[in-house]
Amino acid sequence: GESVGLHLPTLSVQEGDNSIINCAYSNSASDYFIWYKQESGKGPQFIIDIRSNMDKRQGQRVTVLLNKTVKHLSLQIAATQPGDSAVYFCAENSGTSYGKLTFGQGTILTVHP
Amino acid sequence: DGGITQSPKYLFRKEGQNVTLSCEQNLNHDAMYWYRQDPGQGLRLIYYSQIVNDFQKGDIAEGYSVSREKKESFPLTVTSAQKNPTAFYLCASSTFYGTGNSPLHFGNGTRLTVT
Repeated sequence: GESVGLHLPTLSVQEGDNSIINCAYSNSASDYFIWYKQESGKGPQFIIDIRSNMDKRQGQRVTVLLNKTVKHLSLQIAATQPGDSAVYFCAENSGTSYGKLTFGQGTILTVHP
Repeated sequence: DGGITQSPKYLFRKEGQNVTLSCEQNLNHDAMYWYRQDPGQGLRLIYYSQIVNDFQKGDIAEGYSVSREKKESFPLTVTSAQKNPTAFYLCASSTFYGTGNSPLHFGNGTRLTVT
């Protein structure tokens, strides 16, 4: 079946660096994408979303890029801080039935002071 | 503060027993969901409800049951028929925009251990 996946399971960076977390999706019907951050023992926290009619969206210290040609999604975190250390998930909603998000396996981001 | 409350945070049960996980939201969201998370994996959808007194099966509904008698509440029962019930269970909710595109807001989960 079609799914959302991640290129790298772990990412280690130094405090202050910029981080880039990647995600590949295979469902061409996907029209909505979300990035979540999950800290240990907690539920996923919404970071940013993007619709398929956009290719870039910016938030506070975060930017999501969507390349529909190659079905690729990325999350950029500027000036990464130790508090950014967590598991990051991308998710897609093909739009056929809302709330039925398909999640990737997650990338563990570790920020070293 | 508005949010989603899941209780208890940790739950232990003996094999063969049914157990009910609580989920309450005060966000006035129409839709609610239950996801299951296993170590090192993404979330998988168990059940979801778009409106009171209505719910649909997700991708892994076997061995689970739900009810939606109130807008604020969406309890999940893990029955003895569920073969591998030990997992981290996450409840979520969202508004209904009609276009199908709105982010889910999650609770902090219940970790269920069945021995």
